[in-house]
Amino acid sequence: DSGVTQTPKHLITATGQRVTLRCSPRSGDLSVYWYQQSLDQGLQFLIQYYNGEERAKGNILERFSAQQFPDLHSELNLSSLELGDSALYFCASSVTGQGNNEQFFGPGTRLTVL
Amino acid sequence: GQQVMQIPQYQHVQEGEDFTTYCNSSTTLSNIQWYKQRPGGHPVFLIQLVKSGEVKKQKRLTFQFGEAKKNSSLHITATQTTDVGTYFCAGKRGSQGNLIFGKGTKLSVKP
Repeated sequence: DSGVTQTPKHLITATGQRVTLRCSPRSGDLSVYWYQQSLDQGLQFLIQYYNGEERAKGNILERFSAQQFPDLHSELNLSSLELGDSALYFCASSVTGQGNNEQFFGPGTRLTVL
Repeated sequence: GQQVMQIPQYQHVQEGEDFTTYCNSSTTLSNIQWYKQRPGGHPVFLIQLVKSGEVKKQKRLTFQFGEAKKNSSLHITATQTTDVGTYFCAGKRGSQGNLIFGKGTKLSVKP
Protein backbone atom coordinates (compact mmCIF):
# COMPACT_ATOMS: atom_id res chain seq x y z
CA ASP A 1 0.00 0.00 0.00
CA SER A 2 1.60 3.24 -1.22
CA GLY A 3 -0.61 5.54 0.84
CA VAL A 4 -2.06 7.12 -2.30
CA THR A 5 -5.76 6.48 -2.79
CA GLN A 6 -7.74 6.75 -5.99
CA THR A 7 -11.46 6.51 -6.58
CA PRO A 8 -13.26 4.96 -8.27
CA LYS A 9 -11.37 1.77 -9.10
CA HIS A 10 -13.37 1.16 -12.22
CA LEU A 11 -15.50 3.44 -14.33
CA ILE A 12 -17.59 2.49 -17.34
CA THR A 13 -19.24 5.24 -19.31
CA ALA A 14 -20.37 6.19 -22.79
CA THR A 15 -18.82 8.37 -25.44
CA GLY A 16 -19.55 12.05 -25.01
CA GLN A 17 -19.87 11.79 -21.25
CA ARG A 18 -17.85 13.51 -18.54
CA VAL A 19 -16.18 11.83 -15.55
CA THR A 20 -14.16 12.90 -12.53
CA LEU A 21 -11.33 10.85 -11.09
CA ARG A 22 -10.21 11.54 -7.56
CA CYS A 23 -6.84 11.17 -5.88
CA SER A 24 -5.67 11.64 -2.31
CA PRO A 25 -1.89 11.90 -1.97
CA ARG A 26 0.25 10.32 0.68
CA SER A 27 0.21 12.21 3.97
CA GLY A 28 2.82 14.97 3.79
CA ASP A 29 3.24 14.91 0.02
CA LEU A 30 2.60 18.25 -1.63
CA SER A 31 2.87 17.25 -5.27
CA VAL A 32 0.38 15.23 -7.30
CA TYR A 33 0.92 13.82 -10.79
CA TRP A 34 -1.56 12.32 -13.22
CA TYR A 35 -0.60 9.68 -15.77
CA GLN A 36 -2.45 7.81 -18.49
CA GLN A 37 -1.50 4.23 -19.33
CA SER A 38 -3.10 2.62 -22.35
CA LEU A 39 -2.82 -1.08 -23.17
CA ASP A 40 0.82 -2.06 -23.57
CA GLN A 41 1.83 1.58 -23.42
CA GLY A 42 4.11 3.39 -21.10
CA LEU A 43 3.15 6.06 -18.65
CA GLN A 44 2.02 9.22 -20.39
CA PHE A 45 2.47 12.19 -18.11
CA LEU A 46 -0.60 14.43 -18.10
CA ILE A 47 -0.18 17.12 -15.47
CA GLN A 48 1.44 17.94 -12.14
CA TYR A 49 0.28 20.08 -9.24
CA TYR A 50 2.31 21.31 -6.33
CA ASN A 51 0.62 22.70 -3.24
CA GLY A 52 -2.45 23.73 -5.18
CA GLU A 53 -0.70 25.25 -8.17
CA GLU A 54 -0.15 23.75 -11.60
CA ARG A 55 3.55 22.91 -11.88
CA ALA A 56 3.98 21.11 -15.20
CA LYS A 57 1.87 20.06 -18.14
CA GLY A 58 2.42 17.06 -20.35
CA ASN A 59 0.37 15.52 -23.13
CA ILE A 60 -2.95 16.51 -21.65
CA LEU A 61 -5.84 17.04 -24.05
CA GLU A 62 -7.90 20.21 -23.92
CA ARG A 63 -10.90 18.05 -23.02
CA PHE A 64 -9.10 17.11 -19.83
CA SER A 65 -8.55 19.34 -16.83
CA ALA A 66 -7.36 18.91 -13.29
CA GLN A 67 -7.05 20.76 -10.04
CA GLN A 68 -5.57 20.34 -6.61
CA PHE A 69 -7.60 21.48 -3.64
CA PRO A 70 -6.45 23.13 -0.38
CA ASP A 71 -6.52 19.76 1.39
CA LEU A 72 -4.13 18.58 -1.39
CA HIS A 73 -6.43 16.02 -2.94
CA SER A 74 -6.70 16.26 -6.69
CA GLU A 75 -9.32 15.63 -9.32
CA LEU A 76 -8.91 14.86 -13.00
CA ASN A 77 -11.88 15.79 -15.15
CA LEU A 78 -12.32 14.10 -18.51
CA SER A 79 -15.04 15.45 -20.80
CA SER A 80 -16.49 14.65 -24.23
CA LEU A 81 -15.11 11.19 -23.78
CA GLU A 82 -13.99 9.18 -26.78
CA LEU A 83 -13.31 5.47 -27.18
CA GLY A 84 -9.59 6.19 -27.24
CA ASP A 85 -9.73 7.64 -23.74
CA SER A 86 -10.20 4.15 -22.35
CA ALA A 87 -7.12 3.58 -20.22
CA LEU A 88 -5.73 3.19 -16.75
CA TYR A 89 -5.28 6.55 -15.04
CA PHE A 90 -2.71 6.72 -12.28
CA CYS A 91 -2.19 9.38 -9.72
CA ALA A 92 1.16 9.67 -7.99
CA SER A 93 2.45 11.89 -5.22
CA SER A 94 5.83 13.01 -3.98
CA VAL A 95 7.16 15.15 -1.17
CA THR A 96 8.44 17.88 -3.44
CA GLY A 97 7.61 18.67 -7.03
CA GLN A 98 11.15 18.80 -8.34
CA GLY A 99 11.49 15.33 -9.81
CA ASN A 100 14.25 14.25 -7.45
CA ASN A 101 12.07 12.34 -5.06
CA GLU A 102 10.42 9.02 -5.62
CA GLN A 103 6.83 9.07 -6.76
CA PHE A 104 4.29 6.94 -4.94
CA PHE A 105 1.60 5.63 -7.25
CA GLY A 106 -2.00 4.94 -6.41
CA PRO A 107 -3.79 1.76 -7.54
CA GLY A 108 -5.24 3.53 -10.57
CA THR A 109 -8.69 4.07 -12.03
CA ARG A 110 -9.58 1.91 -15.02
CA LEU A 111 -11.77 3.90 -17.38
CA THR A 112 -13.75 2.13 -20.07
CA VAL A 113 -15.55 4.25 -22.65
CA LEU A 114 -18.20 2.36 -24.64
CA GLY B 1 10.65 17.02 -27.24
CA GLN B 2 12.75 15.25 -24.69
CA GLN B 3 12.44 11.49 -24.88
CA VAL B 4 13.69 8.61 -22.84
CA MET B 5 14.06 5.51 -24.97
CA GLN B 6 13.96 2.09 -23.41
CA ILE B 7 14.89 -1.24 -24.97
CA PRO B 8 13.92 -3.95 -25.42
CA GLN B 9 10.16 -3.54 -25.32
CA TYR B 10 9.66 -7.19 -24.41
CA GLN B 11 11.98 -9.86 -23.02
CA HIS B 12 11.16 -13.51 -22.46
CA VAL B 13 13.64 -15.49 -20.40
CA GLN B 14 13.93 -18.90 -18.82
CA GLU B 15 14.02 -18.84 -15.05
CA GLY B 16 17.63 -18.58 -13.96
CA GLU B 17 18.75 -16.56 -16.98
CA ASP B 18 19.95 -13.00 -16.67
CA PHE B 19 18.01 -9.98 -17.92
CA THR B 20 19.04 -6.45 -18.84
CA THR B 21 17.00 -3.41 -19.87
CA TYR B 22 18.55 -0.23 -21.23
CA CYS B 23 17.46 3.36 -21.02
CA ASN B 24 18.82 6.13 -23.28
CA SER B 25 18.32 9.86 -23.41
CA SER B 26 19.44 12.32 -26.08
CA THR B 27 20.14 14.88 -23.39
CA THR B 28 22.01 14.79 -20.11
CA LEU B 29 19.87 13.76 -17.17
CA SER B 30 20.19 15.11 -13.66
CA ASN B 31 18.89 11.86 -12.22
CA ILE B 32 17.22 8.65 -13.25
CA GLN B 33 14.72 6.52 -11.41
CA TRP B 34 13.60 2.94 -11.97
CA TYR B 35 10.13 1.57 -11.27
CA LYS B 36 8.60 -1.89 -11.46
CA GLN B 37 4.97 -2.56 -12.32
CA ARG B 38 3.68 -6.06 -11.62
CA PRO B 39 0.87 -7.34 -13.87
CA GLY B 40 -2.35 -5.68 -12.77
CA GLY B 41 -0.50 -3.44 -10.34
CA HIS B 42 0.85 0.05 -10.13
CA PRO B 43 4.43 1.28 -10.61
CA VAL B 44 6.59 0.94 -7.53
CA PHE B 45 9.81 2.87 -7.03
CA LEU B 46 12.97 0.77 -7.05
CA ILE B 47 15.90 3.17 -6.98
CA GLN B 48 17.28 6.57 -7.96
CA LEU B 49 20.71 7.23 -9.47
CA VAL B 50 22.22 10.70 -9.40
CA LYS B 51 25.98 10.55 -9.92
CA SER B 52 27.87 9.97 -13.14
CA GLY B 53 28.98 6.33 -13.36
CA GLU B 54 26.98 5.38 -10.28
CA VAL B 55 26.31 1.71 -9.65
CA LYS B 56 23.83 0.49 -7.08
CA LYS B 57 22.82 -3.04 -6.14
CA GLN B 58 19.70 -4.46 -4.60
CA LYS B 59 20.18 -8.20 -4.10
CA ARG B 60 20.05 -9.63 -7.65
CA LEU B 61 19.37 -6.22 -9.26
CA THR B 62 22.21 -3.97 -10.45
CA PHE B 63 21.54 -0.43 -11.61
CA GLN B 64 24.03 1.71 -13.53
CA PHE B 65 24.09 5.35 -14.57
CA GLY B 66 26.34 6.15 -17.50
CA GLU B 67 29.39 8.38 -17.29
CA ALA B 68 27.74 10.96 -19.52
CA LYS B 69 24.49 10.69 -17.54
CA LYS B 70 22.60 9.93 -20.75
CA ASN B 71 21.99 6.24 -20.27
CA SER B 72 21.20 3.73 -17.60
CA SER B 73 20.70 0.02 -17.27
CA LEU B 74 19.03 -2.46 -14.96
CA HIS B 75 20.48 -5.96 -14.81
CA ILE B 76 18.81 -8.86 -13.03
CA THR B 77 20.93 -11.90 -12.27
CA ALA B 78 19.33 -15.34 -12.26
CA THR B 79 15.75 -14.25 -12.85
CA GLN B 80 12.93 -15.69 -10.79
CA THR B 81 9.21 -15.82 -11.53
CA THR B 82 8.72 -13.04 -8.99
CA ASP B 83 10.69 -10.72 -11.30
CA VAL B 84 7.84 -10.74 -13.83
CA GLY B 85 6.53 -7.29 -14.65
CA THR B 86 7.29 -4.12 -16.56
CA TYR B 87 10.37 -2.13 -15.66
CA PHE B 88 10.29 1.59 -16.34
CA CYS B 89 13.10 4.10 -16.25
CA ALA B 90 12.30 7.76 -15.70
CA GLY B 91 14.74 10.59 -16.25
CA LYS B 92 14.80 14.21 -15.29
CA ARG B 93 16.66 16.95 -17.14
CA GLY B 94 18.05 19.88 -15.24
CA SER B 95 16.82 21.27 -11.95
CA GLN B 96 13.33 21.94 -13.25
CA GLY B 97 10.86 19.79 -14.97
CA ASN B 98 9.13 16.54 -14.38
CA LEU B 99 10.28 12.98 -14.82
CA ILE B 100 10.03 11.56 -18.34
CA PHE B 101 9.15 7.87 -18.32
CA GLY B 102 10.38 5.38 -20.87
CA LYS B 103 7.84 3.00 -22.42
CA GLY B 104 9.08 0.18 -20.24
CA THR B 105 10.44 -3.32 -20.75
CA LYS B 106 7.99 -6.12 -20.12
CA LEU B 107 9.73 -9.14 -18.63
CA SER B 108 8.23 -12.60 -18.65
CA VAL B 109 9.95 -15.51 -16.94
CA LYS B 110 9.27 -19.09 -17.90
CA PRO B 111 9.61 -21.49 -14.95
